[in-house]
Amino acid sequence: AQTVTQSQPEMSVQEAETVTLSCTYDTSESDYYLFWYKQPPSRQMILVIRQEAYKQQNATENRFSVNFQKAAKSFSLKISDSQLGDAAMYFCAYRDGQNFVFGPGTRLSVLP
Amino acid sequence: DAGITQSPRYKITETGRQVTLMCHQTWSHSYMFWYRQDLGHGLRLIYYSAAADITDKGEVPDGYVVSRSKTENFPLTLESATRSQTSVYFCASSPQGHSGNTIYFGEGSWLTVV
Repeated sequence: AQTVTQSQPEMSVQEAETVTLSCTYDTSESDYYLFWYKQPPSRQMILVIRQEAYKQQNATENRFSVNFQKAAKSFSLKISDSQLGDAAMYFCAYRDGQNFVFGPGTRLSVLP
Repeated sequence: DAGITQSPRYKITETGRQVTLMCHQTWSHSYMFWYRQDLGHGLRLIYYSAAADITDKGEVPDGYVVSRSKTENFPLTLESATRSQTSVYFCASSPQGHSGNTIYFGEGSWLTVV
């Protein structure tokens, strides 16, 4: 079965600095998708960024970018110029076909 | 555009009672999912449905029942609630086909079993 691991239960970053959240996954598939979701205190799940496994180029969405290492099965999220509103739980997720699998999450604190 | 709505948003029930959490989506998405979120476990899949009248078990299905008679509705029933089922429950949906399609979540239902 596919698994997603986030080894950092909690992280903190100074406002305006850069932080990287780690994610590794296990799969035998070659075609799949990876996602990062943000969950603020409201508990709403918000899509941050998506990566297609067959694409070499790392996805970027404004201040958010990923470092996708397919051979290493690694999918880290980099947040640049961190803002107070970035404070949230971040979940890494994997999808192939109809199944979504989520990691346990990383709680990010942003210090003013 | 209402998206996905869950009801009730908050519920307290007693051990042994039957509870149904409702989920309704307005996008006509083929796939619907129920997850539970507990501290330290992230989101765990309870059941999912690929289409009306098609449902499958996820990672933690014991103690839960689902049905999908209509595409837009996917209720989750706890037949005899236990304290271990105290959790936040998220309903979600996704379009058919391309596995890159993202998943859209409802706002969650907080369930406490006492």
